[in-house]
Amino acid sequence: DADVTQTPRNRITKTGKRIMLECSQTKGHDRMYWYRQDPGLGLRLIYYSFDVKDINKGEISDGYSVSRQAQAKFSLSLESAIPNQTALYFCATSATGGWGPQHFGDGTRLSIL
Amino acid sequence: QKEVEQNSGPLSVPEGAIASLNCTYSDRVSQSFFWYRQYSGKSPELIMSIYSNGDKEDGRFTAQLNKASQYVSLLIRDSQPSDSATYLCAVRGSGGSNYKLTFGKGTLLTVNP
Repeated sequence: DADVTQTPRNRITKTGKRIMLECSQTKGHDRMYWYRQDPGLGLRLIYYSFDVKDINKGEISDGYSVSRQAQAKFSLSLESAIPNQTALYFCATSATGGWGPQHFGDGTRLSIL
Repeated sequence: QKEVEQNSGPLSVPEGAIASLNCTYSDRVSQSFFWYRQYSGKSPELIMSIYSNGDKEDGRFTAQLNKASQYVSLLIRDSQPSDSATYLCAVRGSGGSNYKLTFGKGTLLTVNP
C-alpha cells in the first residue's frame, strides 16, 4: 500500500461545484502539503500544515481551503470550482524539523468544465 | 523570491550514455537539495538527496553539489529508455522558510534506444 494515498485519482466536475480532495498517510509525518502542477508552471504550493492546529497558506491559496482532520489526514477543498483550477494536485508529507525531502502521493487529476 | 532554475530540455541521449542534468539556485544559505523523477502524469519520486559539497553516488545516479557556485547536478550513467522522464530539482529554504521546497520546472530527458 502507498504511504501517501490520495482520493479520488481522477475527477471531472462542473464550474461552481464544491470539490474535496483527500490525502492520508501512514509515514507518521507531522508536516503535510498540497501542491498543484500545471504544464510550464511546475509545482506550486497551495497550503501546508505542521500539525493539526497549524495550517498555513502557500503561494496560491486563493479559491482553496484545507482541513487537517488528524495527523494522518489533510484534505483540500475547492468551494466553487472554476476551469482554471483544472490541474494535477499532489499531497506530500515530510518529517518534522529535519532537513529531509517531501514524499508525494500519486496525485489527483482534476478537470473542471 | 527564491528561485531554482533548470534547462527545460528536452535533453536527448542515446542508450548507454551519461545524461547530465543541471540546476542552479538563488538562496545562498540553502542546505538540502533533492532530485525527483517524474514520469508523465505520475507523481514526483525522490531519487537523490544531497546535503554536503561534493559527490554522492547511488547506483547509476550521482548527485553533485557546489554550494559556492550554487549549483547542483545529477548524472545518470548507462542511461536506459526507462530513465526517460522529467527530472525536478528541489531546494529546501533556509531559516523561517525551511519547511518549504522550491522546485525547478524540470528537465525532460529522453533516452533513445
